[in-house]
Parts: sequence; structure tokens; C-alpha cells
Amino acid sequence: AAGVIQSPRHLIKEKRETATLKCYPIPRHDTVYWYQQGPGQDPQFLISFYEKMQSDKGSIPDRFSAQQFSDYHSELNMSSLELGDSALYFCASGSGGTDTQYFGPGTRLTVL
Amino acid sequence: AQSVTQLGSHVSVSEGALVLLRCNYSSSVPPYLFWYVQYPNQGLQLLLKYTTGATLVKGINGFEAEFKKSETSFHLTKPSAHMSDAAEYFCAVSVGGGFKTIFGAGTRLFVKA
Repeated sequence: AAGVIQSPRHLIKEKRETATLKCYPIPRHDTVYWYQQGPGQDPQFLISFYEKMQSDKGSIPDRFSAQQFSDYHSELNMSSLELGDSALYFCASGSGGTDTQYFGPGTRLTVL
Repeated sequence: AQSVTQLGSHVSVSEGALVLLRCNYSSSVPPYLFWYVQYPNQGLQLLLKYTTGATLVKGINGFEAEFKKSETSFHLTKPSAHMSDAAEYFCAVSVGGGFKTIFGAGTRLFVKA
């Protein structure tokens, strides 16, 4: 079965640079969630989209923005990167804002 | 506000022994509760979930959990641990249509031969 696709899988950036992470949900899923997981930490909810509209917002820094496109894929844009942004970024998808989220493999971002 | 507390950041069991991972939640409205497993350098995989109905929920890989409203708990169990169960386990809660999920801090399960 098709799963959530995230790209790139690994990304290395310098401080103050920008990064764009992409998420392709499972076909026919209309909801996308973004999470940040620091080393040894639990996943922290950043933001979610339902039918291309922001549905909820968590602890997402102002330097980050995200959107969901007409084909339901989502992009997380991160600017003025800081060392503390180094983490695993997960995208999950679901249907209709219902309970079950299916997680992608994550993008490991390293900021040097 | 919702929150999740996982008791014990590390749990060690012998192969074949009972696995018990504890999770307590706080929610002002009926919650949806989940257990996820994460293997090293991988994404989270849903083990099981509770939304409504039967309070004993069976999941994959022989795991099950029981929702106890009076104790605000959703502990994860497996009768007999296998080496392949060694991983990080996260309890999570969501409310209001599931747009936002709050994760616990995680419990790392070690399985000894």
C-alpha cells in the first residue's frame, strides 16, 4: 500500500539558511500534519492542514511557514535556520481530520 | 488542555516476559488515545487506538491496551515479549476531530535474551 512520502530524507544546512521540506500524503488523504522530533525527544506538533486550509497550530516558530497545495501535498518552509532546528521532521496524513495519522519516514535536518 | 504522561522512560524485560508500558492522560473531553512504536531512524507506526466503544483494544504484533476512564489510563501490554519488540513507544492523545495530537515523552523498551 502507498505510504506517506517525505523528501528529502536528509538535509544539511548552514545557520541562517532556508530549507523546504516536502510531504506527499497517502492518496485520497486530505489532512497533513507536521511534527518536529528533537534528539531523544517526543514528537512536537507543529501545524496541520485539512482541505488545503490550516486546521490547527502548535509550537511552530514564526520563522517557519507551511501550506498545503491543490494536490494535497504540503511543504514546510524554514528560514533563518538555527542550530536548534536540527531534528527529525515528520509528516503524517489522514482522512477528514479523523483520528488515525499515518506517518512518513521523516526528514532529518542538520543545521551546522 | 490535553496532556500525556508515560511512566518510566526506560523499561527492561526478559524475552517471553510480560510487557507493561504505562500511560496516563489528561483531557477535559472524551479523548482519542493511541500507542505508536518507533524503531531507530524510522517513522512512527500505529500500534493501536481507542476512540469509542470497547475499552480493551487489540493492536498489531500482539499488543493490547485498556482504556480506564476512572483511572485516566491507557496502559499498553503484551503477554510475551519478543526481541523484535525493542523500540521506543509513544502514547498519544487527540481531541476535537483529531487535528492535533499530543505525544508523551516516550518509553524505550529493552528486551533481554
